[in-house]
Amino acid sequence: SQQGEEDPQALSIQEGENATMNCSYKTSINNLQWYRQNSGRGLVHLILIRSNEREKHSGRLRVTLDTSKKSSSLLITASRAADTASYFCATDAGYQKVTFGTGTKLQVIP
Amino acid sequence: GAVVSQHPSRVICKSGTSVKIECRSLDFQATTMFWYRQFPKQSLMLMATSNEGSKATYEQGVEKDKFLINHASLTLSTLTVTSAHPEDSSFYICSARGAGQDQPQHFGDGTRLSIL
Repeated sequence: SQQGEEDPQALSIQEGENATMNCSYKTSINNLQWYRQNSGRGLVHLILIRSNEREKHSGRLRVTLDTSKKSSSLLITASRAADTASYFCATDAGYQKVTFGTGTKLQVIP
Repeated sequence: GAVVSQHPSRVICKSGTSVKIECRSLDFQATTMFWYRQFPKQSLMLMATSNEGSKATYEQGVEKDKFLINHASLTLSTLTVTSAHPEDSSFYICSARGAGQDQPQHFGDGTRLSIL
């Protein structure tokens, strides 16, 4: 079963705008990861945030983690057409496996 | 960054054929490899987790005799879909992770399997 639920399921924005995606999960975690998937391709790891971290930045990406609410958000600033993809959160609760959320399909309109 | 190569990228074959998919970590040692299945417009469904030199751990509902996984070395894992049928048609993706805590998974580009 899916550990993570992402919101929204789909998001369409204009190039240059910011995109925010949210992820909620159910159990305690060691870390939470965000991945991007272009259509018909494998996933690309974007950023990992540990359970004792609250915020992390990487380029135009900003991830927050609220373990009390069991939620995370991914913010993409100044979006580009090339950011069009599906974005997944994944939770690592130990036990060697990572469970993926349902994904947010982002479309950035040039 | 870490690179995972998955081959073939696409397979079209007749019902009853067995299909082998390879997953290689090219520049790091993958102590753990994962095999996923993804249906159209859906998330990844974990099929099994394999550690080098030991038997794979299959998720509930995944037939281990149908989906044979071998992880013979720290850089190679294979998934064999035995006697494939049309309902096995799907997108199969592997990933690999190195040793240590808080390691991300590195994904192959997936294999599109179509059984006629």
